[in-house]
Formats: sequence, C-alpha cells, structure tokens
Amino acid sequence: GAVVSQHPSRVICKSGTSVKIECRSLDFQATTMFWYRQFPKKSLMLMATSNEGSKATYEQGVEKDKFLINHASLTLSTLTVTSAHPEDSSFYICSATPSGNYEQYFGPGTRLTVT
Amino acid sequence: AQRVTQPEKLLSVFKGAPVELKCNYSYSGSPELFWYVQYSRQRLQLLLRHISRESIKGFTADLNKGETSFHLKKPFAQEEDSAMYYCALSVNAGGTSYGKLTFGQGTILTVHP
Repeated sequence: GAVVSQHPSRVICKSGTSVKIECRSLDFQATTMFWYRQFPKKSLMLMATSNEGSKATYEQGVEKDKFLINHASLTLSTLTVTSAHPEDSSFYICSATPSGNYEQYFGPGTRLTVT
Repeated sequence: AQRVTQPEKLLSVFKGAPVELKCNYSYSGSPELFWYVQYSRQRLQLLLRHISRESIKGFTADLNKGETSFHLKKPFAQEEDSAMYYCALSVNAGGTSYGKLTFGQGTILTVHP
C-alpha cells in the first residue's frame, strides 16, 4: 500500500526558532500533498495544499509567511514553522495523493512543542 | 463553504450491539463523502467512501442527499472497532478535484466487552 512518512515524529523547540517537518511518500509519487493541524481531541484543520513545483495554496486564516511549505519533488514536501511560539504547539499531519488518484494517504503526524 | 458535522463526540456501546455514527454535511454541489478511522496510536486511514458503496470491516454508509447525511453503521460492534472516526467531504474545485478534505469533529467510539 501507499506509505507516507513524517520526520521528526516529535520535536521540541524554543520560542522564536524555526522548525522543519518533512513529509515523504515512500512508494509512490505524490503530485499533491496536504498539511493539516490537529488540536487535542479536535478535528483536523487543513492548512495548505502543496503541489509539486508550484506555490502552496493556503487556507483562509493560515499565515503563509509563518508556515512555509516547499514541495520540491514528487516525494517530498516540507513544512517550516518560522519564529515558533507556544501557540504553534500542535500535532501536524501531512497526507499525499498519488498522481492520477485522489485518495489521500496520511502520515503518522509530528508533535511540535514550543517552549 | 462546505461543512461537516458529527454531533457526537463520544459514543459507547457494548459488544454485539448495533452502532451508528452520525454525519451531516452542508454543500451546495455534489460532494464525495468519506469515513476515516484512527485507531489508538495509529495514523488516520480511509475506512470507506460513498462512491464505492462497499462494506469494510462490517461498516456501511449510505449517502442521503435529501437529509445531507452520511451515517456510518455496523450491525454488531466489536471491541476492535474502538477508535476515533472522522467523516470527511471532498468537493470538485472548478471541475478538477484536488481531493481537498473537510473533516468533521470526530467521534470517539468505545465498544465495551
């Protein structure tokens, strides 16, 4: 089956620093990747849609300068949380869609804690 | 804008009892509806989609456009069904489906022995 990995699985960073989260499709090429944020015991909130070779499309209310997304290859998308603050602490989940298919395969998530 | 509502945050049933997880949506067009499941310490995974009209792990869901609902049902719940269940909706954007999903709030199902 289609496997999506995320790295790191958890990260702790200090307020004001930046942290990068990687999302990789391991056994398929992903034209589109999605980044979600999940708050404790709440739903997944779509942050942005990342298309290989083009700029990401951000959802309303998501700061593009704060959450930088790069989708440089068909198997890798990165989310960089810049100048992180404690309120950015959350569970970040990516998903990837194989080329020609619209089903999303989800990564295991990354727990970000900003101290 | 589209919206997905799962009115129950928590649902508890006993093993062997029927279970129904409710999902209502609002969207003016023709959406695709999905149910995703997240077992403890595992990633989110697709359970079923309405266009497939299939039964997975004994679960079924029927899209009712009149009631804008997509409730998930299983006649006899099992302990291993305990998990978080998300209803999700995908829409066509300008004729091209990007597969962008809008999720409901999720329902935690607990099946007691």
